[in-house]
Amino acid sequence: GDSVTQTEGQVTVSESKSLIINCTYSATSIGYPNLFWYVRYPGEGLQLLLKVITAGQKGSSRGFEATYNKEATSFHLQKASVQESDSAVYYCALSANQGGRALIFGTGTTVSVSP
Amino acid sequence: NSKVIQTPRYLVKGQGQKAKMRCIPEKGHPVVFWYQQNKNNEFKFLINFQNQEVLQQIDMTEKRFSAECPSNSPCSLEIQSSEAGDSALYLCASSRDNNQAPLFGEGTRLSVL
Repeated sequence: GDSVTQTEGQVTVSESKSLIINCTYSATSIGYPNLFWYVRYPGEGLQLLLKVITAGQKGSSRGFEATYNKEATSFHLQKASVQESDSAVYYCALSANQGGRALIFGTGTTVSVSP
Repeated sequence: NSKVIQTPRYLVKGQGQKAKMRCIPEKGHPVVFWYQQNKNNEFKFLINFQNQEVLQQIDMTEKRFSAECPSNSPCSLEIQSSEAGDSALYLCASSRDNNQAPLFGEGTRLSVL
């Protein structure tokens, strides 16, 4: 079936250092999925960070970037220089490129940024 | 700042009791989703609607879970007879169309004792 894998459950990084959160997917029944990164900051609800619906394109938001790599079936999230306020849980997700289809989420990566 | 409103925030029920939670989607969003997120952070899609019609639902939803999205009223998800394994965060999301990422509410945390 279709799935999303985030290999790191927890990541600790120092402020101003770079961050990469890995995400790979399997979309055997979908073909060309839409890809998303959602984030949940402490005490807040789940919110969209960025999305990309076309293979090869890059999405960016709040200093984060992710490129839709169809060959590698990956959608890694990167930031060159993190801040303490980036401490949160990050979820990679996919959906079919079809109206009203449900998101399939990874299990999330908790990022802790130390000062 | 979420514009999908879920109530209540917390719900405590005994095993066998009914548990009902509500969701007001963002205005103008005809598509509504319900997800269950367990203590291991795993999301499970339950059901979604377009306007009042069910688009997709999983088998679990067909048995003990019921949901509806009546016009001019909040959407609701109800568990007819709660089990300990139903303890989770229930998330409602809505979207305007298939090109828009769903907007999530803050969730209802259900504890079944």
